[in-house]
Amino acid sequence: GDSVTQMEGPVTLSEEAFLTINCTYTATGYPSLFWYVQYPGEGLQLLLKATKADDKGSNKGFEATYRKETTSFHLEKGSVQVSDSAVYFCALIRNTGGFKTIFGAGTRLFVKA
Amino acid sequence: GAVVSQHPSRVICKSGTSVKIECRSLDFQATTMFWYRQFPKQSLMLMATSNEGSKATYEQGVEKDKFLINHASLTLSTLTVTSAHPEDSSFYICSARSEKLFFGSGTQLSVL
Repeated sequence: GDSVTQMEGPVTLSEEAFLTINCTYTATGYPSLFWYVQYPGEGLQLLLKATKADDKGSNKGFEATYRKETTSFHLEKGSVQVSDSAVYFCALIRNTGGFKTIFGAGTRLFVKA
Repeated sequence: GAVVSQHPSRVICKSGTSVKIECRSLDFQATTMFWYRQFPKQSLMLMATSNEGSKATYEQGVEKDKFLINHASLTLSTLTVTSAHPEDSSFYICSARSEKLFFGSGTQLSVL
């Protein structure tokens, strides 16, 4: 069945370091791909999305490119800040059969000052 | 690992009826649970934050009287869609927080 695999955390970085959180997926057809973020004490928020191959989603300095050839949607940011400390979830939405969202397990990011 | 159970997984109801969706944390206590709504081909939208023993906190634009949330215990939160209409048809998903955030499997609601 469809699935999403994320790198295990926690990931600990110093401020201004480069961030990559890997995400790969398995799905039939052409799903839409998402990154969600959960800040401490808050619910999930959409960070960025891409709906077709080679699309690049971007928001708040984060980017992710929909790579169908490698079935990946890695999240990157060139210079992280302490305020980026959160849990990041990769997810896919099947575009057929009920549009159910399948989430990865989440990756916790700690950014030190 | 921690599991969040959500029931029912699919419900079809007539317009004007109310539907209750349950979200249970099976092996951990969750002081906070979240309810999301997803429209076809769109991302999840946070509806409300449910805190055990207190009133839920609703996001802007979400009708409190329409979507009743009760978090009576540390392992159970319920979402009741009152007087459902076809525009309420959607996919609803809950999540519960322990050390990490765990998601229920979702409920597909179809209102005829």
